[in-house]
Amino acid sequence: AQSVTQLGSHVSVSEGALVLLRCNYSSSVPPYLFWYVQYPNQGLQLLLKYTSAATLVKGINGFEAEFKKSETSFHLTKPSAHMSDAAEYFCAVSESDSWGKLQFGAGTQVVVTP
Amino acid sequence: EAQVTQNPRYLITVTGKKLTVTCSQNMNHEYMSWYRQDPGLGLRQIYYSMNVEVTDKGDVPEGYKVSRKEKRNFPLILESPSPNQTSLYFCASSASGTSGSMTQYFGPGTRLLVL
Repeated sequence: AQSVTQLGSHVSVSEGALVLLRCNYSSSVPPYLFWYVQYPNQGLQLLLKYTSAATLVKGINGFEAEFKKSETSFHLTKPSAHMSDAAEYFCAVSESDSWGKLQFGAGTQVVVTP
Repeated sequence: EAQVTQNPRYLITVTGKKLTVTCSQNMNHEYMSWYRQDPGLGLRQIYYSMNVEVTDKGDVPEGYKVSRKEKRNFPLILESPSPNQTSLYFCASSASGTSGSMTQYFGPGTRLLVL
């Protein structure tokens, strides 16, 4: 069975500082991993996904994530936070043999301070 | 514009009064799914459908029904809503594939309050 743990339900970062959101997964088969972002009063939008090609994945809005199998992690980073990055971020895992079955983490709310 | 639409966006109802939340996608996707989002729990899958007339339970199907009579539509039905179904609901769709790598596209959400 697959599961996702996001460390920290709330993260506060200063504008211009590094954004680091942590995600650890468990999966019995090779996983596919996703980061989604949810802006206030909107649906979820895909930031990036890992599908067993490159372990360092670049996404939209300057975000990237690195798949580390040995650590079962898929942490999301952005070098310099912008006010527009304030949102809720969800990590999700899907197993290679379970088409469409996405398991989401609990989410991390990001606040960006001037 | 490629999109997933949901209606209504906001709904207040009373316990036991049947309701339907509609979901429609214009991307010709085979796969559609319903999630509910609750604080601290992330998104949990209610039901999903891999194609017309093919549906299956997700993680929290109790109290919900779905149908998939047309490819583009996937309505969520609450036959007798209860207050514990107060939540934010999302519909999603994705193209077909042989693995779990397909990106899911989400609707804007429906906020439901059951009194």
